[in-house]
Amino acid sequence: AQTVTQSQPEMSVQEAETVTLSCTYDTSESNYYLFWYKQPPSRQMILVIRQEAYKQQNATENRFSVNFQKAAKSFSLKISDSQLGDTAMYFCAFMVNYQLIWGAGTKLIIKP
Amino acid sequence: EPEVTQTPSHQVTQMGQEVILRCVPISNHLYFYWYRQILGQKVEFLVSFYNNEISEKSEIFDDQFSVERPDGSNFTLKIRSTKLEDSAMYFCASSEARGAGEKLFFGSGTQLSVL
Repeated sequence: AQTVTQSQPEMSVQEAETVTLSCTYDTSESNYYLFWYKQPPSRQMILVIRQEAYKQQNATENRFSVNFQKAAKSFSLKISDSQLGDTAMYFCAFMVNYQLIWGAGTKLIIKP
Repeated sequence: EPEVTQTPSHQVTQMGQEVILRCVPISNHLYFYWYRQILGQKVEFLVSFYNNEISEKSEIFDDQFSVERPDGSNFTLKIRSTKLEDSAMYFCASSEARGAGEKLFFGSGTQLSVL
């Protein structure tokens, strides 16, 4: 079965701190893409970062970076210098057969 | 930045009624998708659509569901006879191309409540 597990239902940190959101997944595919999507109160799903499984180098997008451990099937998201606007639900997902398989999400609250 | 637009934002209907959820994908995108999220559950893939045909569909997408691109801008999801368990947030998405790592652009969703 192809699954995504996000073990942290909710997290909160102070503004400017660094926070790491965990994600593990299970798939029998050898090549796939992994994604983190953000869902702010506006409800729109916004792509934060993506990683191709056969690339060893971890993806980075400004303050967002991932720690991709393929053997462990782990794909965590690190947010540096967190901002109030980072408050949102964060979903980990991977694509197989052109379909996104989603985790349950982590609610991240950035406190002023 | 271009956006995917979904209407209505909220839809309330009686069990057994037909509903049509509407989406306007980004104008130069060719691939369209519907996902749904039942309250408290994970987001689930329903269907993908390209060139006026369904490309992939999940087990959820049974005969009660249909999709259509009635004109050059709209993409619709129809549920013929709604059931209580169809209550969910429905997300439309579009992408420029079809690839394993393709970026999907999502709308803000339609919250469907079946009473």
